[in-house]
Amino acid sequence: DAKTTQPTSMDCAEGRAANLPCNHSTISGNEYVYWYRQIHSQGPQYIIHGLKNNETNEMASLIITEDRKSSTLILPHATLRDTAVYYCIVMDRDDKIIFGKGTRLHILP
Amino acid sequence: EAQVTQNPRYLITVTGKKLTVTCSQNMNHEYMSWYRQDPGLGLRQIYYSMNVEVTDKGDVPEGYKVSRKEKRNFPLILESPSPNQTSLYFCASSWTSGGYTQYFGPGTRLTVL
Repeated sequence: DAKTTQPTSMDCAEGRAANLPCNHSTISGNEYVYWYRQIHSQGPQYIIHGLKNNETNEMASLIITEDRKSSTLILPHATLRDTAVYYCIVMDRDDKIIFGKGTRLHILP
Repeated sequence: EAQVTQNPRYLITVTGKKLTVTCSQNMNHEYMSWYRQDPGLGLRQIYYSMNVEVTDKGDVPEGYKVSRKEKRNFPLILESPSPNQTSLYFCASSWTSGGYTQYFGPGTRLTVL
């Protein structure tokens, strides 16, 4: 069973913030939320991860709700190079990473 | 630069002709794995290795072999390739399984005729 639910696809205008939602209502206390992306036919690329607190790095921000049942990945100023499939993955440190279908993000010029 | 390399990047071969896809990482990672990606099926794990001389089956191991004689290398071997092994293959490494950042190679596109 999939641990996460993501929209199949989303559009975002270039230069605007891209907000990608993820639902993980069955997340357990020791499970992290990870985000990866895959630009067409390239290897998946790690973006960010978090447990409870919001996180930010040079690529993105991760906002996790207080109940941890959902999260949002924010790309603050989307560019055409951010067009990719974005995967939200929930797992604990001993789990095997499992990729779902992800969200196909289209950045529009 | 920290990276995972795969060779070859593209390969067209014929049924039954043994082939090896190499994978190497320069990050001293203990955990390495192989995935295949097919349209509509997403990324599926073939084999993984927790450390040198330790390998185990993933979700779709049939028709594949691996070895881990050195920490940095994890070759994928197809002893007798078949057309249903036509796919995009990725090697990945990390400090350990699961909850640590995984670094993926650039991919190998294999076509078996």
